[in-house]
Amino acid sequence: NAGVTQTPKFQVLKTGQSMTLQCAQDMNHNSMYWYRQDPGMGLRLIYYSASEGTTDKGEVPNGYNVSRLNKREFSLRLESAAPSQTSVYFCASSERTDGGPGDIYSNQPQHFGDGTRLSIL
Amino acid sequence: TQLLEQSPQFLSIQEGENLTVYCNSSSVFSSLQWYRQEPGEGPVLLVTVVTGGEVKKLKRLTFQFGDARKDSSLHITAAQPGDTGLYLCAGSMDSNYQLIWGAGTKLIIKP
Repeated sequence: NAGVTQTPKFQVLKTGQSMTLQCAQDMNHNSMYWYRQDPGMGLRLIYYSASEGTTDKGEVPNGYNVSRLNKREFSLRLESAAPSQTSVYFCASSERTDGGPGDIYSNQPQHFGDGTRLSIL
Repeated sequence: TQLLEQSPQFLSIQEGENLTVYCNSSSVFSSLQWYRQEPGEGPVLLVTVVTGGEVKKLKRLTFQFGDARKDSSLHITAAQPGDTGLYLCAGSMDSNYQLIWGAGTKLIIKP
């Protein structure tokens, strides 16, 4: 069972370079997320996609763009990398997160990939 | 400002000891999830608590959701080296169905 697959696992970029982080899930989940994890700060949501065809900004979207290519794939793009974007990036998916208040699916667990460790020099 | 405060941030104890970690907030959550993350991997869900006062047990791990649904605790009995990891709590709010994450408690169990 692959679950959530992220590529690449490691990447070193120079300031100003661009790159795309890839994420694919095989659980037929509707919702997908991109987080960054920095020491002492927990997980911070960059962008999410509640369902295929929709994307929304999270807590820290500046400097990033996303594409929900289809139900399985959700990519994160850094157009012009900056040292402040050095972090570990996690992609996650969940059953559904589009119902809003009171929707039982808002309690669904999120399934994570193993992360991409990105360094910007 | 963290909406969810986890304490302690770091805990290192001997195998066989008991411990409790906390997840506190001034906000009310509709549910709260606990995850464990091991080095080089993503977080993995341990449990979800939904009802105020709810207690759930997972082998030697006991999770409790506060009566007012503002806080939660994780108690580990007779800790083992395999319990080592980063423990994260994440809350779901009625007004926003995104998860709110705590910064985590890094736990090391020494043999």
